[in-house]
Formats: sequence, structure tokens, C-alpha cells
Amino acid sequence: EIVLTQSPGTLSLSPGERATLSCRASQSVSNSYLAWYQQKPGQAPRLLIYGASSRATGIPDRFSGSGSGTDFTLTISRLEPEDLAVYYCQQYGSSAYTFGQGTKLEIK
Amino acid sequence: EVQLVQSGAEVKKPGESLKISCKASGYSFTSYWVGWVRQMPGKGLEWMGVIYPDDSDTRYSPSFQGQVTISVDKSISTAYLQWSSLKASDTAMYYCARHVGYYVSGRLSGWFDPWGQGTLVTVSS
Repeated sequence: EIVLTQSPGTLSLSPGERATLSCRASQSVSNSYLAWYQQKPGQAPRLLIYGASSRATGIPDRFSGSGSGTDFTLTISRLEPEDLAVYYCQQYGSSAYTFGQGTKLEIK
Repeated sequence: EVQLVQSGAEVKKPGESLKISCKASGYSFTSYWVGWVRQMPGKGLEWMGVIYPDDSDTRYSPSFQGQVTISVDKSISTAYLQWSSLKASDTAMYYCARHVGYYVSGRLSGWFDPWGQGTLVTVSS
């Protein structure tokens, strides 16, 4: 099973700042098969990024994904108050999908 | 609009059985796998399994194999998650989601989009 470790656990930033969230895999994720999700309080998760860097339909270009192998990054430029959420990565490079434990983004 | 609408919250006692549902609309139900994800209180997301509605081919996470059953009724575009004997540790929010991606040489690879609103299952004596 591929274990995904996200860091930091909590990130506290101000509106307009840039957020950098990390997702590290215990082994290489084939074909960069990695997705990112946003879960706002009391809501279901929403897909942000798939294939490590492709934005899902309707996702603002403030959200971008990068990385390959074992190291992946979600960047949110110009934070807005509504970005308050927990962000999860998910790998689908192996037949047993796994999620990271999440990064909580707080907006000051 | 692609939508997945789940059944309502459930409160059950340990040992009882339960079947929750996920009704899909806005797309060809038999053309996409459907997955289930567990979120225990205050915790992260755990993939449980996926099912292909056209032929009911089902893949389970090793962690959930034998613990739950995933099924579909394609005549009403609905997927199900069921337990035969609930435990207190099954208390969680359960999400269904459409699986989007690839199926090559029997190997499934993909992400989940969109998600249902979730069904809260509470198991308590």
C-alpha cells in the first residue's frame, strides 16, 4: 500500500498570501496518478486537481498542482477567505487507492 | 448536471444490518465506476471500494474486504453500501462518488468527481 504523508498538518495564512501544501508518497506514484481534493467544513470533498497538475472543471486558476515520483505540491496563489478547508491528496497509481491525512488551511 | 444524491442519516444499534443508497443522475450510469469513501468523526478519507454498474464488477480496499458489500441496481441508477452486522466502529460519514479515469488490462486507475452529499451512520447501543 502506498502511504501518503501530507505536510504541514495545519497552515495559517492571510488573504492574498500563497499557500504551498505538500504530499509525499512512500513509493513512486506511477504516471503521476495523483489527485487533490478540497473539503470545506460540513461539506463533501470536491475535486481540484487530477493527474498531478490538471485542474478540474470550474476550478479557479489560483489552484495549481505539480510534482512527480514521490513528491507532489498543491499551490494556492492569492488566498481568499473561502479557501478555508482541509485539503487531501489521493493516489490512484496502485490498485489500492489511498488518501493522505489532510492539511488544514486556516485563513487569518 | 452530474449529481449523486445519498440516502438520509441512520441511527442503528450494534448487530443490526443496514443498506444505504446513492442515486446518480445527469450522466450514463453504466459507463462509470462508482466508489465509496469513509470518513470517521474528525478524521480523514478512506477508500472502501468501487463498482462498475454495467456488470457489477466490484473491487474492495483490503481494509474493507469482507466488512461491507457494494452493489448496484442499474435499472434505477443507484449504488448501495451495506453491512450485515454493524459495530460501533462503523460510525462515520459515508460518501459515494463517481469514479473517473482509466481501465486498462483489468487495472483501474482514477479519481472521484463529483461526490454525493454524504450519509451519516451512527451505531450506538
